[in-house]
Amino acid sequence: GENVEQHPSTLSVQEGDSAVIKCTYSDSASNYFPWYKQELGKRPQLIIDIRSNVGEKKDQRIAVTLNKTAKHFSLHITETQPEDSAVYFCAARGDYKLSFGAGTTVTVRA
Amino acid sequence: GAVVSQHPSWVICKSGTSVKIECRSLDFQATTMFWYRQFPKQSLMLMATSNEGSKATYEQGVEKDKFLINHASLTLSTLTVTSAHPEDSSFYICSARDASGGHRQTQYFGPGTRLLVL
Repeated sequence: GENVEQHPSTLSVQEGDSAVIKCTYSDSASNYFPWYKQELGKRPQLIIDIRSNVGEKKDQRIAVTLNKTAKHFSLHITETQPEDSAVYFCAARGDYKLSFGAGTTVTVRA
Repeated sequence: GAVVSQHPSWVICKSGTSVKIECRSLDFQATTMFWYRQFPKQSLMLMATSNEGSKATYEQGVEKDKFLINHASLTLSTLTVTSAHPEDSSFYICSARDASGGHRQTQYFGPGTRLLVL
C-alpha cells in the first residue's frame, strides 16, 4: 500500500516568514495529493490539492509543488500569520483511499 | 466547499454499551464514505471504506464485528461501536467524497465525534 512520510513534525516560524512542509510517497500510481489543515479539536480542512498532471499550484499565500519523478510534494506558506498555526497533513491517493502523513505542527510566533 | 455533518459531536458512555455515529453529506451525493480514527497528536488512521449499497471494506487490524458500518443511502453512513471499552475512546471522523463533476476526487471531512468510554 501507499506510505506517506512527512517532515518536519514540528515547525516554528516568525510571523511574516515562510513555512515549508515536505512529503514523500511510495506508490508511483498515486495521482492526487491534498493538503489538510486541522486546528485543535476540529475537522481537517482541505486547503489545497494537486493532481499528478500538474507540477505546481498556488492559491494566495499557499502553494504546492509536485515532483512525480522523485515522488515528493511540498506545501509552501508565505507571509505566515498567527492564524496559520495548526497541524497540517499531506496525503496521497492512488486507488480509492487517502494515505496521510504523520502531520506537522506549525506554530507562528508573533 | 461541500458540507459533511456528523452526529453526535461527543458522547460519553459506559463500558459494554454500543454507540452509533452518523455521517451525512448535506449538499452532495457520496457513493463512498470513509471512517477514520484519530488519537491525540496523531494522524488520521483509516478504519474502513463505506460504499453505498454494499459491504464496507475494513483496513487490516480493524474488527468488522466491533465497528459496524452501514451505508444505506447516498448521503448517510453510520458507524456503530459495539460493546465499547475504554480503549475505544478516541476521535472518530468521517469523510465523504463528492463524486460529481470536477470535484470527483475531493474528500471532505465531518466535524468528528469524540467518544469517551468509562
